[in-house]
Amino acid sequence: EAQVTQNPRYLITVTGKKLTVTCSQNMNHEYMSWYRQDPGLGLRQIYYSMNVEVTDKGDVPEGYKVSRKEKRNFPLILESPSPNQTSLYFCASSLWASGTYNEQFFGPGTRLTVL
Amino acid sequence: SQQGEEDPQALSIQEGENATMNCSYKTSINNLQWYRQNSGRGLVHLILIRSNEREKHSGRLRVTLDTSKKSSSLLITASRAADTASYFCATRHGNGANSKLTFGKGITLSVRP
Repeated sequence: EAQVTQNPRYLITVTGKKLTVTCSQNMNHEYMSWYRQDPGLGLRQIYYSMNVEVTDKGDVPEGYKVSRKEKRNFPLILESPSPNQTSLYFCASSLWASGTYNEQFFGPGTRLTVL
Repeated sequence: SQQGEEDPQALSIQEGENATMNCSYKTSINNLQWYRQNSGRGLVHLILIRSNEREKHSGRLRVTLDTSKKSSSLLITASRAADTASYFCATRHGNGANSKLTFGKGITLSVRP
């Protein structure tokens, strides 16, 4: 089944404790992206990657890191989480075809709470 | 901001009625997409309309695009309780690999059985 998976789905942690949220897609998509969703603010892009070893900042990259060593994986790293990073996080991927990106496929989300 | 703005923010209708949701944007687009999100879940793509298209259909969904007014509408006909969800419009700006997809804040649709 074509899908985007994220782990963990739920995480409660404490300020300053490094964490990684994994994202994997099995559709051979070139493009992958991380978003956070907060009430009243909609989806905001954190980082994106157009292909292996190519990453770039989105609209709210502060406090986050990413890497794209393999096409299928795009982990999100919080080196020193803070309470303002409490949010619902989504990974998404998209195929590059005919000179444009097609629709995005989203993972199920990771609900992160930083105490 | 390139962010699309949906209207209304919330919509409550009776099952069987049609639901119309609107999206406006400020700068020219490559395409416009509508997504659906059930509570706390990932977004699911519904339909994509390109800037040179004016109308598209998919099942009970009808999307129109008016580039002169920089607006789009999503019509769900004969709504069902299962259509209760949040709906987001997303606009793709620019061309090629550096194009950007920007999401609006969403519309909450409630369909009463």
